[in-house]
Amino acid sequence: QQPVQSPQAVILREGEDAVINCSSSKALYSVHWYRQKHGEAPVFLMILLKGGEQKGHEKISASFNEKKQQSSLYLTASQLSYSGTYFCGTERETGTASKLTFGTGTRLQVTL
Amino acid sequence: KAGVTQTPRYLIKTRGQQVTLSCSPISGHRSVSWYQQTPGQGLQFLFEYFSETQRNKGNFPGRFSGRQFSNSRSEMNVSTLELGDSALYLCASSLVRGAGTGELFFGEGSRLTVL
Repeated sequence: QQPVQSPQAVILREGEDAVINCSSSKALYSVHWYRQKHGEAPVFLMILLKGGEQKGHEKISASFNEKKQQSSLYLTASQLSYSGTYFCGTERETGTASKLTFGTGTRLQVTL
Repeated sequence: KAGVTQTPRYLIKTRGQQVTLSCSPISGHRSVSWYQQTPGQGLQFLFEYFSETQRNKGNFPGRFSGRQFSNSRSEMNVSTLELGDSALYLCASSLVRGAGTGELFFGEGSRLTVL
């Protein structure tokens, strides 16, 4: 079952903040976040594991509420380069990290 | 190092034909997974191969199949194409399997159009 992402789309001015949410009706082991720019491959942003561990490569923060099975991605002081579609991918059990169930995406546009 | 390479990048087929897509993972990566991306459904998991064995399979009909070779390169095949198979097919590789280590490196995809 696909996780639900909200909002579906958001437009920001450069420097503004945004929060993208991802909710699942099933118990999760981890939540993964990817960003895809138009015409490009999705790029890994972050993994949030049950228990609080996070692994990421960029200056983007996120949270994972295990009780609510929800994750939020926080984009602070947005830049033009943040534009793209953000996908959350959920993993329901250990050992299946390569099998992610992705949400339908949140389209983010940052303008001047 | 070189990224994930998918070929062909674009192709057009007609209903009833079959198609084979190829994916070369990052050197050293043993896990290859395939996703179908459409505007309405987002990314949907097709299958994953690790060390030449299919380890996971999504909810797609048997017309969708795949395989992995000893050098970790992977192919997916779709037989008896339908209009609804038009999509971007993404391949992703990862170094290992297992929870929390599953950073996926995606290729740019093969865009299939079925007429």
